[in-house]
Amino acid sequence: GENVEQHPSTLSVQEGDSAVIKCTYSDSASNYFPWYKQELGKGPQLIIDIRSNVGEKKDQRIAVTLNKTAKHFSLHITETQPEDSAVYFCAASRAAGNEKLTFGTGTRLTIIP
Amino acid sequence: GAVVSQHPSRVICKSGTSVKIECRSLDFQATTMFWYRQFPKKSLMLMATSNEGSKATYEQGVEKDKFLINHASLTLSTLTVTSAHPEDSSFYICSARHRATNEKLFFGSGTQLSVL
Repeated sequence: GENVEQHPSTLSVQEGDSAVIKCTYSDSASNYFPWYKQELGKGPQLIIDIRSNVGEKKDQRIAVTLNKTAKHFSLHITETQPEDSAVYFCAASRAAGNEKLTFGTGTRLTIIP
Repeated sequence: GAVVSQHPSRVICKSGTSVKIECRSLDFQATTMFWYRQFPKKSLMLMATSNEGSKATYEQGVEKDKFLINHASLTLSTLTVTSAHPEDSSFYICSARHRATNEKLFFGSGTQLSVL
């Protein structure tokens, strides 16, 4: 089955600086890679996703890059703000129907004002 | 759009009782719904996958008789924790796969279950 590793487990960044979270996956058939933000006591919120036919995707201050050959993908948050503080999870799946998402172990991001 | 409603958000029950958690996709039809369990400061652990009108598929190690899943329609799935015990205390989260995109997965807000 799929195995997703995520680093770092914790990350502290000065407000306004950039944050980068990296994930690797093992299943070369995985073709869908979402990122979720989870705040304390709440369910994960989809913030951005990318499919394997695209190398990079950007949405305002958030971007995701994918390297299929190396089987890794990264989340980039620029101009960080205090409200970006949360736990971020990467995930991978063979996108379709019943295919399940395999999650990374999470990164606790803290933005220092 | 793409809102998943989960209720209750928090429940406290006595050991031996059963608890039902509801998960509804409010503004879309879901091909598949998934149920996760999450321990404090840990990742999400998939418990089961369910499709409307068919039996749920449980992950290895998850007792199907203890965690009953009913997927009555394309917008509603329920998880019933039967004869709950303190070790069942956890954060349970449902998610629904959007029928239109068939890939995006949206999560409910979770249910914190505490069994006394």
